[in-house]
Amino acid sequence: GAVVSQHPSWVICKSGTSVKIECRSLDFQATTMFWYRQFPKQSLMLMATSNEGSKATYEQGVEKDKFLINHASLTLSTLTVTSAHPEDSSFYICSARGDTNEKLFFGSGTQLSVL
Amino acid sequence: GENVEQHPSTLSVQEGDSAVIKCTYSDSASNYFPWYKQELGKRPQLIIDIRSNVGEKKDQRIAVTLNKTAKHFSLHITETQPEDSAVYFCAASTGDSNYQLIWGAGTKLIIKP
Repeated sequence: GAVVSQHPSWVICKSGTSVKIECRSLDFQATTMFWYRQFPKQSLMLMATSNEGSKATYEQGVEKDKFLINHASLTLSTLTVTSAHPEDSSFYICSARGDTNEKLFFGSGTQLSVL
Repeated sequence: GENVEQHPSTLSVQEGDSAVIKCTYSDSASNYFPWYKQELGKRPQLIIDIRSNVGEKKDQRIAVTLNKTAKHFSLHITETQPEDSAVYFCAASTGDSNYQLIWGAGTKLIIKP
């Protein structure tokens, strides 16, 4: 099956620093990648949608200058949380879809804790 | 836009019994309905999906039914086992917007030994 790799699994950082999260599709070309945020015991909240080679589309209320998304190749997308603050602490998870069907496959998630 | 409602939020069943989780959607143009299972701290995993041209799909102990007229679809798990304990999410997609999925709120399934 399709494999999506996400790194790091968890990260602890100081307030004001930036954190980069990588999402890679290992055995297929990801036409579209989605970035989600998930709070404990809640559903997945879509942050943005990215297509390879174009600018990401952000959901309402998500600051594009704070959550920088780059989808430079068909196998890699990155999310950078800039100037992180404690309220940015959350579980971030990426997902990817190839161009052959609508099935969505998820990365393992990144638990971000900002001190 | 599309809205997906999922019930119940928590479901507790005796091991060996069946579990049913229901979702309703609002956009009649939705044509793809996946179900994901998420264990604590782990990634959601696709367990079964159905397209709008099919009314029912089964995979061993798991089945999904779709009623397009009523705009609802259900996940059925038979002969439940302890490893079925997890949070289950339904979703719907119209195929537009890069096949963006609209998610239900999730159901925490607890299998009692």
